[in-house]
Amino acid sequence: GAGVSQSPSNKVTEKGKDVELRCDPISGHTALYWYRQRLGQGLEFLIYFQGNSAPDKSGLPSDRFSAERTGESVSTLTIQRTQQEDSAVYLCASSFKTGSMAFFGQGTRLTVV
Amino acid sequence: ILNVEQSPQSLHVQEGDSTNFTCSFPSSNFYALHWYRWETAKSPEALFVMTLNGDEKKKGRISATLNTKEGYSYLYIKGSQPEDSATYLCASLTAGGTSYGKLTFGQGTILTVHP
Repeated sequence: GAGVSQSPSNKVTEKGKDVELRCDPISGHTALYWYRQRLGQGLEFLIYFQGNSAPDKSGLPSDRFSAERTGESVSTLTIQRTQQEDSAVYLCASSFKTGSMAFFGQGTRLTVV
Repeated sequence: ILNVEQSPQSLHVQEGDSTNFTCSFPSSNFYALHWYRWETAKSPEALFVMTLNGDEKKKGRISATLNTKEGYSYLYIKGSQPEDSATYLCASLTAGGTSYGKLTFGQGTILTVHP
């Protein structure tokens, strides 16, 4: 596609429910990143993919968070049993290769009530 | 320096002023340093990717320098305009091990340019 696309743009969910956030990177981009920004804070690294592999999962806050990428394309970030502290804007970015300029999606604003 | 740090946290300038801010990053295992501009209600947009010590990049009124040996980069804006108001983020990429490819962001500098 023309840019990085994320869906949904907004998600309100009840505490304890599972949510799936989707990222469609720019076609041909091998690297894909997930970040989140909680209110008043900076961009927090969650995970990145090189191809379909995730060399570094150290940023995932807990075992309730998981992510996968298939076909060196779409990535899904899943949060199980959501908690109020999971409320944040979740941003996805992709780049042609590791280290090159990253292009960001518009983000998914997740609100856990 | 273990993390990416930016200063100042926020900055208010008048239209026409020139300004600069700093990004400090781990100098060991350095691979690349990125600068992004993040305007309200938009996505972060890449400004520069810098890899070599002594690199200088320029885009219009915005320029950046890089010192990989001491672990800092400066971003300069000449003749600030209200449309330059945004959060400016830097991000460091280190080489080696499982952290290779991990783009770590600083907290950003919020720039407000008053007409």
